[in-house]
Amino acid sequence: DVKVTQSSRYLVKRTGEKVFLECVQDMDHENMFWYRQDPGLGLRLIYFSYDVKMKEKGDIPEGYSVSREKKERFSLILESASTNQTSMYLCASSETSGGAWEQYFGPGTRLTVT
Amino acid sequence: GDSVTQMEGPVTLSEEAFLTINCTYTATGYPSLFWYVQYPGEGLQLLLKATKADDKGSNKGFEATYRKETTSFHLEKGSVQVSDSAVYFCALGRTGTASKLTFGTGTRLQVTL
Repeated sequence: DVKVTQSSRYLVKRTGEKVFLECVQDMDHENMFWYRQDPGLGLRLIYFSYDVKMKEKGDIPEGYSVSREKKERFSLILESASTNQTSMYLCASSETSGGAWEQYFGPGTRLTVT
Repeated sequence: GDSVTQMEGPVTLSEEAFLTINCTYTATGYPSLFWYVQYPGEGLQLLLKATKADDKGSNKGFEATYRKETTSFHLEKGSVQVSDSAVYFCALGRTGTASKLTFGTGTRLQVTL
């Protein structure tokens, strides 16, 4: 089974702190994604990466950055956390070949910024 | 741009009732369509998919048919169970977009005894 793990299930940080969210997948997938999930807004793509050291902005990249130094690991960085970044963050991965682009998700990190 | 529209929830049903969750999409070309499910406290997992017009995806008693003429991919189940209580997301993906998916806002289903 594909496994996508996220470093924390719950995280509480203060405004202005630098926050790192880590995601690891064990299926050698090329593509990795970071989403945030908010009630009434569904999933919104923050950043994605299609290869090591490669990244592209998603729909809401402002206030976030990412890092992919190894194929299995994709990190989301909040340079200076703000209260409007309180949300559920979901990581996903997928392979490039094989059609239909199924994404496999981690369990999510619920981040609260106070 | 691409978009997915789902019916607003929550949807509340009694056990063994028939379920329909509506999903329509706007996209250029010929997208693939997906239903994902999110159980409480978990990430999303793929429920079913369809890659071309008139395809029917099915899994765990759920079905959805890719209707290009109505740009729809409605989710149905003949008899829901309490264990089906979850949030359901409709999504689409297009060729050449590095496996990106566009998700709907999700529909919460609550099934009661």
